Amino acid sequence: QQKVQQSPESLTVSEGAMASLNCTFSDGTSNNFRWYRQHSAKGLEVLVSIFSDGEKEEGRFTAHLNRANLHVSLHIREPQPSDSAVYLCAVGYGSSGNKLIFGIGTLLSVKP
Amino acid sequence: EAAVTQSPRNKVTVTGGNVTLSCRQTNSHNYMYWYRQDTGHGLRLIHYSYGAGNLQIGDVPDGYKATRTTQEDFFLLLELASPSQTSLYFCASSDGGSYAEQFFGPGTRLTVL
Repeated sequence: QQKVQQSPESLTVSEGAMASLNCTFSDGTSNNFRWYRQHSAKGLEVLVSIFSDGEKEEGRFTAHLNRANLHVSLHIREPQPSDSAVYLCAVGYGSSGNKLIFGIGTLLSVKP
Repeated sequence: EAAVTQSPRNKVTVTGGNVTLSCRQTNSHNYMYWYRQDTGHGLRLIHYSYGAGNLQIGDVPDGYKATRTTQEDFFLLLELASPSQTSLYFCASSDGGSYAEQFFGPGTRLTVL
């Protein structure tokens, strides 16, 4: 079954500096990758969905997918303290790709 | 945007107790999902459904039943709750398919004493 790992476990950046989060997966045949944000054990908010190799930008959030390297990353431009949260990587699987398997998450802290 | 609500938001029960977690979505999505989230694990899929009366087994189904009574309502049942089922439970809905977003509810925190 698809395995998803995220790194680092935690990351502290200064306000305005770029934050980069990584996600590796075991099966490169998936075509469905998403980044979610979760504030303090609350609900999940989808940030970026990416379905093909390359780059996808949604506001300050950019995902980069390289399926050959089994890697998807999230870059947060000009992070704010309000971006402090857990960031979850999710990879689609199943015959219809409509199930998701999640990484454990990266805890991002943005210092003023 | 899909609206997914869950109730109760917090629940405490005792070992062996009977618990029902409720989820309602109001965006006419076909698919609904139940996940649990625990420290050291990502969200893990318990059960899901692609329509009223349908139930599909997820990755961690042991100890859980689920029922989809209508397109809007999906219930998770713990008939003999155990402390290992103490967790944060999320419901989600989507149109289905690889490219459909899953929209999540706010979560239910369940504690089994």
